[in-house]
Formats: sequence, structure tokens, C-alpha cells
Amino acid sequence: ETGVTQTPRHLVMGMTNKKSLKCEQHLGHNAMYWYKQSAKKPLELMFVYSLEERVENNSVPSRFSPECPNSSHLFLHLHTLQPEDSALYLCASSQDGDQPQHFGDGTRLSIL
Amino acid sequence: AQKITQTQPGMFVQEKEAVTLDCTYDTSDPSYGLFWYKQPSSGEMIFLIYQGSYDQQNATEGRYSLNFQKARKSANLVISASQLGDSAMYFCAMREINNNNDMRFGAGTRLTVKP
Repeated sequence: ETGVTQTPRHLVMGMTNKKSLKCEQHLGHNAMYWYKQSAKKPLELMFVYSLEERVENNSVPSRFSPECPNSSHLFLHLHTLQPEDSALYLCASSQDGDQPQHFGDGTRLSIL
Repeated sequence: AQKITQTQPGMFVQEKEAVTLDCTYDTSDPSYGLFWYKQPSSGEMIFLIYQGSYDQQNATEGRYSLNFQKARKSANLVISASQLGDSAMYFCAMREINNNNDMRFGAGTRLTVKP
């Protein structure tokens, strides 16, 4: 029981498809995050939501669109992705401040 | 510029021995937190240990301890009595409290424990 659940675990999609990644946290945290982990690159922070408001968008292309309907749920909507977007996408949650982030198991995304 | 530097792409350690994984960081924020995470081949990121910038003592959690040297801006992870299950990627991370809680990760160190 990680406390942070991501679905699906694996996703294969074509470049013209539209799909969404889902993240749910059961820890009562007030901040949620999307990260991208590519091979041979450090973990990249994509989006941060604090109290359901987006507080950070690290120059992420518009083909990635986050949504945080409440403090427990976070989505990443995908549209017209490129092959270089193939990666492991990790969701995390934390309490604001200096508390550690707790991660989900990730969604491994492959773009054909 | 790199905010988190892990200079060891790979490390080997004999089972039951101790190993130190290096991490240096760069920040001008006086308030920050340092974290270590473990990522096994299955992909999940597991939080191991945390050190706050104002903490006077080095953090310890079971077999994990953090050698925090603030003046040198280093936060090395020490794993004692290595076990085969410790084989994984290890990431050092820093969170800057006065910079929108910006969280940055190092490139990671792959640790292999040999029987």
C-alpha cells in the first residue's frame, strides 16, 4: 500500500491518440506532482498543484494538460504525443513545506 | 546549472558491508530539505530519509544515515550492512522552501550488492 495509486501501469498509444493518466492519493496531502523519468535523464518535475491550484509548470509542452479536480486526484491528459514522450510518468503527493513526497508506481508510456 | 550532483553512476558493494553514495547540492535558499529515494527495477520511488537544512544532527533511519555537511553542501547516504535487496537506483533530491518548494533530483546512482 503506497498511498499513491496510478493507473494505468502501462500505456501504449499512437501519436494521434488522446489518453489520460490518473493519480489518486489516500494520504490526506495537499500537494500533488507529475514527474517524467526518461532513460539516462534526471527525474523532471512537470507540474505542481498545491491546494488544487497549479503553482508550477516547468515549460511543459501543451500536449500535456494536467487537471486537479480535488486534493486527492490528479490527471495528466495526453494529446498528439511524440516518440520522445515515451517515459515513466510518476505522480507524487506531499504536505506543503519540507515534507517528503510519496510516489506512485508510475505509468510506463510508450508512443508508437 | 545542476542543482543536485551525484557523481557515481554505478557502485558495487559486498553484501553485509557499508556503502556511501555521494550527493552534492547547490542552492542560495537558506531553507531547504534533502531527500534520498530508492527506485528498484519495478519502478516505484521509495522515500528513505530526510534532512532539513536547519537540522543539527545527521538523520538516521534504520540502516540508512545521511552524512550532512552543510558547509560543503554535501548530503551523502550511508547504507550499513548491505543486503541483496538494496540493489536499486538511488536518487538524491533537494526541495527549496522559498522557491515554490521546487524539487530537483540528481541523475541517480545504481547500486549493486554482490553476494
